[in-house]
Amino acid sequence: EAGVAQSPRYKIIEKRQSVAFWCNPISGHATLYWYQQILGQGPKLLIQFQNNGVVDDSQLPKDRFSAERLKGVDSTLKIQPAKLEDSAVYLCASRTPRASKNIQYFGAGTRLSVL
Amino acid sequence: AQRVTQPEKLLSVFKGAPVELKCNYSYSGSPELFWYVQYSRQRLQLLLRHISRESIKGFTADLNKGETSFHLKKPFAQEEDSAMYYCALGGNTPLVFGKGTRLSVIA
Repeated sequence: EAGVAQSPRYKIIEKRQSVAFWCNPISGHATLYWYQQILGQGPKLLIQFQNNGVVDDSQLPKDRFSAERLKGVDSTLKIQPAKLEDSAVYLCASRTPRASKNIQYFGAGTRLSVL
Repeated sequence: AQRVTQPEKLLSVFKGAPVELKCNYSYSGSPELFWYVQYSRQRLQLLLRHISRESIKGFTADLNKGETSFHLKKPFAQEEDSAMYYCALGGNTPLVFGKGTRLSVIA
């Protein structure tokens, strides 16, 4: 089966600019996650969707980050305006309803550099 | 609060030597522990989980609730085991990952 698709793979922007990332999960995976992975750290959950509803966004910096999954399939994560500390790899993951809730399939990620 | 500690950032071993990647956790509920692995130029993927009690690519991990540990072991390291390994803790809340250990197997 096709894996989780993410684009772009790399993005370089200046601070205070806006950026958006796109994720297409594995077909049939109702649960979608966005993680932020700063260099030298493990992935940290930003937001979890179940279909088109938000399950957990407690660690999402809502003053600048937003995410949506309008039709319950693709998702976008936006940062506006970006700060230097937002430089990281942004990972999308998805999970099938039939599996344990912690078995997740990850995309290749988008590496963001904020200058 | 959930917390995962991987004390070693880098672990270097010779090919054929035993490997142990350490993972300790802090969690008040009933934990689910996982090891995820990221090989060079590949995406993060699940290696194994404690519930299944299986051996994947020769790796095993036993959950020790008394010591709150979930160390990953392999008796004979192979060059293809070189990768970044992340221990992750789940339960009734989303996955929490450790900072990872880079395993380097030297020929």
